[in-house]
Amino acid sequence: EDQVTQSPEALRLQEGESSSLNCSYTVSGLRGLFWYRQDPGKGPEFLFTLYSAGEEKEKERLKATLTKKESFLHITAPKPEDSATYLCAVRGGIQGAQKLVFGQGTRLTINP
Amino acid sequence: EPEVTQTPSHQVTQMGQEVILRCVPISNHLYFYWYRQILGQKVEFLVSFYNNEISEKSEIFDDQFSVERPDGSNFTLKIRSTKLEDSAMYFCASSDPALQFFGPGTRLTVL
Repeated sequence: EDQVTQSPEALRLQEGESSSLNCSYTVSGLRGLFWYRQDPGKGPEFLFTLYSAGEEKEKERLKATLTKKESFLHITAPKPEDSATYLCAVRGGIQGAQKLVFGQGTRLTINP
Repeated sequence: EPEVTQTPSHQVTQMGQEVILRCVPISNHLYFYWYRQILGQKVEFLVSFYNNEISEKSEIFDDQFSVERPDGSNFTLKIRSTKLEDSAMYFCASSDPALQFFGPGTRLTVL
């Protein structure tokens, strides 16, 4: 069964203090690892997708990396507006299967 | 920018009643999904829908649940007889097919 574990559950940083969020996964045949941002009471907002070990993607202050067992979301010099819950999800299994399996998320708070 | 929309934003119902949650996926997407998130828990997959039929469903998606694409734009989730434990945020998503984009959700409260 595909599983995703994210750590830490919650992270509080000062504005400008860089850090990383971890996503560990087990999946039978990875066909994509996805990072989403979720604001309170809202739907997940797509950030990145990664498909193979060694791949990296960047967007503004965020960079996602992927190994065979985990992914990291690096946040550089964060701002208060980066406060949100960050969700990691994997898609695996047979070709054609589409479901995403989510982790429980990391709740990030950036203090001004 | 195209987006997935959902109605209503909040639905309150009595236990045992039927509810229909509605979604308008992104117009050129062909794959549609329902997920749910119980307060404080993970986002969980319910069902995927492609070419007018269910392509995959989870154990949660039992006989009380059904999905339909009644016309060219809407995608619905019906819960026939709601239970207290159905209280959750329900998210619709659509994809192209690789990237799934989520709607804002419907908060379902079962009393």
